[in-house]
Amino acid sequence: GEDVEQSLFLSVREGDSSVINCTYTDSSSTYLYWYKQEPGAGLQLLTYIFSNMDMKQDQRLTVLLNKKDKHLSLRIADTQTGDSAIYFCAEMNTGFQKLVFGTGTRLLVSP
Amino acid sequence: NAGVTQTPKFQVLKTGQSMTLQCAQDMNHEYMSWYRQDPGMGLRLIHYSVGAGITDQGEVPNGYNVSRSTTEDFPLRLLSAAPSQTSVYFCASSPPLGAREQYFGPGTRLTVT
Repeated sequence: GEDVEQSLFLSVREGDSSVINCTYTDSSSTYLYWYKQEPGAGLQLLTYIFSNMDMKQDQRLTVLLNKKDKHLSLRIADTQTGDSAIYFCAEMNTGFQKLVFGTGTRLLVSP
Repeated sequence: NAGVTQTPKFQVLKTGQSMTLQCAQDMNHEYMSWYRQDPGMGLRLIHYSVGAGITDQGEVPNGYNVSRSTTEDFPLRLLSAAPSQTSVYFCASSPPLGAREQYFGPGTRLTVT
């Protein structure tokens, strides 16, 4: 079955780059997503990448996809305290029917 | 556009009570889904719908019912609440084409005592 794994916690200093990693098992994934959840709030879509791409950049965010290793990463440049949140990786299966989420990585940015 | 709205924001139930969590979207999205979020477990899919009149089970459907009589609304019913259903519930919708990115509601925090 599908499985998505993430490390639970990452701590960085303000101004540094953050890299959040994710591995998945479904080789037929079509889209992979990064969502951000701030305390007490719903999930906000940050970015997504189609499975035939290996990189996507959107302002401070860079997504890298290694399809061979089934590894996805999200790099946040110049991390700010406002970036402190839980970041979820998710994959969409080929039937476009459902998202499978990782457990989330809590990012803590200290001044 | 209000996006995806959920009511109530908070709810406390006693074991055995029933209730309905409401979800509505005004983006004319065909696909809607319900997730529950528990600490350390990410989001798990309860039920989903690919259009009015069509629903299907997700990963953890037991104890929940859904219906989809209109495109806009997708209520989630708890038939007989149990403490194991204490969780935060999120509704989401997505368009039928392209990246199918899901838009989430603000969530309902449910406590069953």
